[in-house]
Amino acid sequence: EVQLAESGGDLVQPGKSLRLSCVGSGFSFDDYAMHWVRLGPGKGLEWVSGINWKSDMLGYADSVKGRFSISRDNAKNSLYLEMNSLTVEDTALYYCARDSSTGDNGLGGYYDRWGQGTQVIVSS
Amino acid sequence: SYVPTQPPSMSVSPGQTATITCGGDNIASKSVHWYRQKPGQAPEVVIAYDTDRPSGIPERFSGSNYGDPAILTISRVEAGDEADYYCQVCDTSSGLVVFGGGTKLTVL
Repeated sequence: EVQLAESGGDLVQPGKSLRLSCVGSGFSFDDYAMHWVRLGPGKGLEWVSGINWKSDMLGYADSVKGRFSISRDNAKNSLYLEMNSLTVEDTALYYCARDSSTGDNGLGGYYDRWGQGTQVIVSS
Repeated sequence: SYVPTQPPSMSVSPGQTATITCGGDNIASKSVHWYRQKPGQAPEVVIAYDTDRPSGIPERFSGSNYGDPAILTISRVEAGDEADYYCQVCDTSSGLVVFGGGTKLTVL
């Protein structure tokens, strides 16, 4: 069974940093592009960042560009999101999602598997 | 920046048809995916690449993208269809990946 499990969410102060992790199981992790998507309180879904299977294609939303960094370790079936200079606007439930695209098909596929999310709260 | 527009909310009676729109400049040249999200659950794709229905999604769900707007149609609406629906617009050539603001569907 395909599973994605996020971790690392926490309550942090504005300006601080946090690292989220997502472990995939039940599929060939290194075949797929992966993404982070967030759902803020009272807001809609927001695509945050994506990475292709070999980490040579990265994408970021304008709202996090320059502050967040996505990476992956295929040997550990893991996806990461390094978040710096956090603001209250980054408060959200962060989902890890698998892109339906495999191989060299970029980051434009639909998301066919999702984790349950990890909560990030930025507050003083 | 490219921001797909969706109506914030809509309501339909059981058995009727819900039509949810996703507007955006030159949207017909882009790929549109549709997701539904129920409270406390992760999102689930209901339509991919404008018109494709993933396995397990009822035939009542259909999509089109002939131009602004792209449309998600839910026929014979049921109480269980009540959820937030999001379009996602992707353009591989430009790296565009963006969600619409979402539409809260209420079944009366």
